[in-house]
Amino acid sequence: DTGVSQDPRHKITKRGQNVTFRCDPISEHNRLYWYRQTLGQGPEFLTYFQNEAQLEKSRLLSDRFSAERPKGSFSTLEIQRTEQGDSAMYLCASSYVGEKLFFGSGTQLSVL
Amino acid sequence: AQSVTQPDIHITVSEGASLELRCNYSYGATPYLFWYVQSPGQGLQLLLKYFSGDTLVQGIKGFEAEFKRSQSSFNLRKPSVHWSDAAEYFCAVGAGGGNKLTFGTGTQLKVEL
Repeated sequence: DTGVSQDPRHKITKRGQNVTFRCDPISEHNRLYWYRQTLGQGPEFLTYFQNEAQLEKSRLLSDRFSAERPKGSFSTLEIQRTEQGDSAMYLCASSYVGEKLFFGSGTQLSVL
Repeated sequence: AQSVTQPDIHITVSEGASLELRCNYSYGATPYLFWYVQSPGQGLQLLLKYFSGDTLVQGIKGFEAEFKRSQSSFNLRKPSVHWSDAAEYFCAVGAGGGNKLTFGTGTQLKVEL
């Protein structure tokens, strides 16, 4: 059990650029979650997958955000045409159905 | 909609003193309640959870929490704080046993030696 891995740890980009983050969950965990955390706030739910199916998306997730989990393993979160308001820590977590969440250390995005 | 309130943004305690972090929730049905801890550069770690049954739940690192339905509260306690407990603590509520959680804004704990 190597834990949940997220890459990169930090990303600095200019407004209007596209960025993609990767999450490798704990192997065999069938659920994978994305959360976003801004300074001084708790994490906010964005979306989750069960295996390769995206089961729910938050209203926070605008059309510029897309997430995938091909083959039910790793997941990517892409943000198109980034805005300064997208600056946040993006957290990935995984679990078995009904079991506790294991969080990664997150990807810190800064949009200049 | 479910929500969580953590009224204390910062708390400072002396090492060896007792600790209580407050959490109030709003949820229409029986809630699934959680406490997580986040240290700088680390992922969120689950301290304990309440689904049903005994309203006093024990967690890791000597923490416990008590569910009080009448007060809509789920306060976290520790009888004797260690310097390594300094971190940010988040209370969260989940729906239907899943892990789609609503978190509070967190309480930053500082421990004075």
